[in-house]
Amino acid sequence: ETGVTQSPTHLIKTRGQQVTLRCSSQSGHNTVSWYQQALGQGPQFIFQYYREEENGRGNFPPRFSGLQFPNYSSELNVNALELDDSALYLCASSREVNTGELFFGEGSRLTVL
Amino acid sequence: GDSVTQMEGPVTLSEEAFLTINCTYTATGYPSLFWYVQYPGEGLQLLLKATKADDKGSNKGFEATYRKETTSFHLEKGSVQVSDSAVYFCALMNSGGSNYKLTFGKGTLLTVNP
Repeated sequence: ETGVTQSPTHLIKTRGQQVTLRCSSQSGHNTVSWYQQALGQGPQFIFQYYREEENGRGNFPPRFSGLQFPNYSSELNVNALELDDSALYLCASSREVNTGELFFGEGSRLTVL
Repeated sequence: GDSVTQMEGPVTLSEEAFLTINCTYTATGYPSLFWYVQYPGEGLQLLLKATKADDKGSNKGFEATYRKETTSFHLEKGSVQVSDSAVYFCALMNSGGSNYKLTFGKGTLLTVNP
């Protein structure tokens, strides 16, 4: 186990709704990244947070937003859900910002109907 | 932009067979390269990495060598086991800017039969 926990594990929403996904980082990790993994695809980078500030963003619209808290846990918020947002959302933490050695949670499976 | 292309799956092998999963990349600068593995019902785990040309990463009997001349990072194992059945992802991180993200390939499903 990586020590990274995500909740909820599964959820179903309808188009236009909003969703919040949560992530608890591994102890001692100050950086958290979020990835979207569509079925049969590799994970796609959404954004990264370092010491509570956004530190880079992938090609995702502003309706994808995030937060990192003082205890380094994190949230991913998605507004105005679209059908194409259906995917596995992965949270990953790391000891430092400039590393590719990430510790992933098992993900939150979002289905948008 | 950066991209990773890896061998289309699924790959099905018998136990003790030799495994190769091909991975090539496109990137500016000098990326670090990674293989991640996703076992059934589990999160992605780092399998091995290499940070510069000619480096060889190895772990659990798996190996991959960073070949800058061919922009490749092929994953190999001499004798696979049933427990190696998983999805394998090749990835790169290009730290040329301030955006420390991983760029992943699409993944290759490996099934090993007894």
